[in-house]
Amino acid sequence: GAVVSQHPSWVICKSGTSVKIECRSLDFQATTMFWYRQFPKQSLMLMATSNEGSKATYEQGVEKDKFLINHASLTLSTLTVTSAHPEDSSFYICSASARTGMNEQYFGPGTRLTVT
Amino acid sequence: AQSVAQPEDQVNVAEGNPLTVKCTYSVSGNPYLFWYVQYPNRGLQFLLKYITGDNLVKGSYGFEAEFNKSQTSFHLKKPSALVSDSALYFCAVSQRYSSASKIIFGSGTRLSIRP
Repeated sequence: GAVVSQHPSWVICKSGTSVKIECRSLDFQATTMFWYRQFPKQSLMLMATSNEGSKATYEQGVEKDKFLINHASLTLSTLTVTSAHPEDSSFYICSASARTGMNEQYFGPGTRLTVT
Repeated sequence: AQSVAQPEDQVNVAEGNPLTVKCTYSVSGNPYLFWYVQYPNRGLQFLLKYITGDNLVKGSYGFEAEFNKSQTSFHLKKPSALVSDSALYFCAVSQRYSSASKIIFGSGTRLSIRP
């Protein structure tokens, strides 16, 4: 149980285009989903926290207009990187917490974004 | 503010030997502590957590961690390392225990087990 999927697993896009990454909780309802980015050989940096049906809360320094997060249902959150630039190339990982109140976050397998 | 430190970028251990991956934390109030493992180009896998109770926490794959409040540490240990344990390990801390709590990750420690 507690499986989180991400799609796509990797994507290459041209500079200036937008890319959407999906995060799904497959076998549980996720009240809260988190989005992280990870640069090579570095730790996970929390970008934003999203609760179903409400606006995401962004961490300091993360541009909300560039990284659009939508959490439309209890099983799906999307991250859209708008007007992507090469510096946005990174490994993006989502996680989801079940609505049972437990603090375990279940992580997706990640999406590698390369902007050329 | 909460933070977690992993002082070692890399730990090298011979297979069969015990291993320790260090972690110290800083948080106001009671900490909730976690260890995760990441294999190349993969997401994170949960290993174990400390919420309350017994200071020695046992987790997946034979790993355990000891919560030491006086030293504000939560070191990850395993009595006998396997080559397959080679991966990137993250310690993490949360200030509250709820499904919406923010988890802060350490910088990670690369564990390399040589045959």
